[in-house]
Amino acid sequence: AQSVTQPDIHITVSEGASLELRCNYSYGATPYLFWYVQSPGQGLQLLLKYFSGDTLVQGIKGFEAEFKRSQSSFNLRKPSVHWSDAAEYFCAVGITDSWGKLQFGAGTQVVVTP
Amino acid sequence: DTGVSQNPRHKITKRGQNVTFRCDPISEHNRLYWYRQTLGQGPEFLTYFQNEAQLEKSRLLSDRFSAERPKGSFSTLEIQRTEQGDSAMYLCASSPTSGANVLTFGAGSRLTVL
Repeated sequence: AQSVTQPDIHITVSEGASLELRCNYSYGATPYLFWYVQSPGQGLQLLLKYFSGDTLVQGIKGFEAEFKRSQSSFNLRKPSVHWSDAAEYFCAVGITDSWGKLQFGAGTQVVVTP
Repeated sequence: DTGVSQNPRHKITKRGQNVTFRCDPISEHNRLYWYRQTLGQGPEFLTYFQNEAQLEKSRLLSDRFSAERPKGSFSTLEIQRTEQGDSAMYLCASSPTSGANVLTFGAGSRLTVL
């Protein structure tokens, strides 16, 4: 069965510092991969997605993610974090014949300190 | 494009009561999804519709849960005889059948069962 693991439940980062959130998946083929962000009281917002092609994908709000097939990973990065990036981040996997049925990781809560 | 709208945003009910949530998707989106998110977890897929047809249901969707999308536009999710374990955020998302293949989520309906 497919699974998505976000090893870090909680990350604290200083404003201006870099951020990396880890995501590992288990699936027999290359799935569709997504990162979503959820702020309190708000729905999930798509940051970026990977379907195929270039393994380094750019998203909104200055985020990028790199797909590494050999490591079954899709880690999210941002070079310089802003206070407004404090939120919960979810990695998600979609299988290719039913991509809208996503499997989400448990999420990583990001706290940004001054 | 007003986004995906969900109502009510919050519902508090007593155990054993029935509740109904409504989702209005983006008007041109043919596909509509329901997910459930419990505290500290990522969203879990419940069911999805293409137009008015309910194409897939998760095993999480017990017989106390029913979802409809009668005219292929808005959808309702009804929970009968609510239990405390039903307390969660119920998220709706929509997407076009083709094209960007990206889910747009609503802000969710939070259910608290006392």
